[in-house]
Amino acid sequence: DTEVTQTPKHLVMGMTNKKSLKCEQHMGHRAMYWYKQKAKKPPELMFVYSYEKLSINESVPSRFSPECPNSSLLNLHLHALQPEDSALYLCASSQDKQYAFFGQGTRLTVV
Amino acid sequence: SQQGEEDPQALSIQEGENATMNCSYKTSINNLQWYRQNSGRGLVHLILIRSNEREKHSGRLRVTLDTSKKSSSLLITASRAADTASYFCATDNRRGWDMRFGAGTRLTVKP
Repeated sequence: DTEVTQTPKHLVMGMTNKKSLKCEQHMGHRAMYWYKQKAKKPPELMFVYSYEKLSINESVPSRFSPECPNSSLLNLHLHALQPEDSALYLCASSQDKQYAFFGQGTRLTVV
Repeated sequence: SQQGEEDPQALSIQEGENATMNCSYKTSINNLQWYRQNSGRGLVHLILIRSNEREKHSGRLRVTLDTSKKSSSLLITASRAADTASYFCATDNRRGWDMRFGAGTRLTVKP
């Protein structure tokens, strides 16, 4: 299994809602990533978990809260988002010093 | 934050022609990777070149790396309409697990 699975594919949420994005991989990768991508821009690194510990947090607003329940799962909890947070959210996983596998992303719209 | 810049930002060529994209980066790296993205969905890994390598080939792809100039190039030979996509370089710096993307090149191959 060489897939990274993200759910949901699309999400529309209001500014007062709480929702979660989910990501799963079964390749035994020890690093998992969240990226945010706006249209016609490159992916921007948000968070990195390595060996289930948060190793990089790129000064992301606290309305985004990552969680790594185990080595196969990565969540991104969303609360009180703003319309400018609308974007494609990409999850990826990798093994040490190897290339990353990406999920198909969650297209988030905040209304 | 992004790691570096890519040029050109957009490239339009005819089928059968070669396409060359360049990437520059700022910090010391473990490796440099090239990814492809279709229609704003997930990224697909194309090729990884390590900091001690200068050139790598994979099918119609050729990647070069010049660590003294902190730059890399991706050459796609005999392009096809199906190569139409956005191409990004990404660097994995010496901290590890810290993969950041360049600005990307939007390639259009006309049939």
